[in-house]
Amino acid sequence: QVQLVESGGGVVQPGRSLRLSCAASGFTFNSNSMHWVRQPPGKGLDWVAAISYDGANKYYADSVKGRFTISRDNSRNTLSLVVNSLRPEDTAVYYCAREVYYGTGAHFDSWGQGTLVIVSS
Amino acid sequence: QSVLTQPPSVSAAPGQKVTISCSGSSSNIGNNYVCWYQQLPGTAPKLLIYDNNKRPSGIPDRFSGSKSGTSATLGITGLQTGDEADYYCATWDVSLTAWVFGGGTKLTVL
Repeated sequence: QVQLVESGGGVVQPGRSLRLSCAASGFTFNSNSMHWVRQPPGKGLDWVAAISYDGANKYYADSVKGRFTISRDNSRNTLSLVVNSLRPEDTAVYYCAREVYYGTGAHFDSWGQGTLVIVSS
Repeated sequence: QSVLTQPPSVSAAPGQKVTISCSGSSSNIGNNYVCWYQQLPGTAPKLLIYDNNKRPSGIPDRFSGSKSGTSATLGITGLQTGDEADYYCATWDVSLTAWVFGGGTKLTVL
């Protein structure tokens, strides 16, 4: 079955950087676009970034554009998110999610358990 | 402030029916398919409805979705205490070139 396992979260000072990873298994990783979605403590879901199946196309939320970089290694079935210039408002659980598309609309059918990033001095 | 607008909370008694609305615009709901996610306390979101009204395998037919114009609705019948969760609508916004989520609706089964 599809499994997504995030790692790399932790406590980091404002202005510092972090690299989040998502290990994928149970499906053909290079067939699906992948996403990062975050959730600040006690708040709603906030889409962060997306990358196409081949890594050629990348999309970012305005709030992270220029600071976050999404990438993927299809040979290692791994999705990554480098988060730079971290701000307290970036504190959240970061989820990776698989996108599926059946020719009509796209949606996220599988989610990881999330990794918590706390930005604090 | 979320691009998609949902009521913060809804409640109903066990066995009853509830609907959760999701309001958007022509650049998102009006131009694309809507999906819904259920998030039980302390867990990751789970796909509930996709393509406006389709249910993934394993989701009971107590859950339904619909869309009209720039709004979408999630319906839940035969409410159970286990349905207590946060529910989110989502879709792609062609103007923002970004996925957008509703602010979430907390369902309480009284």
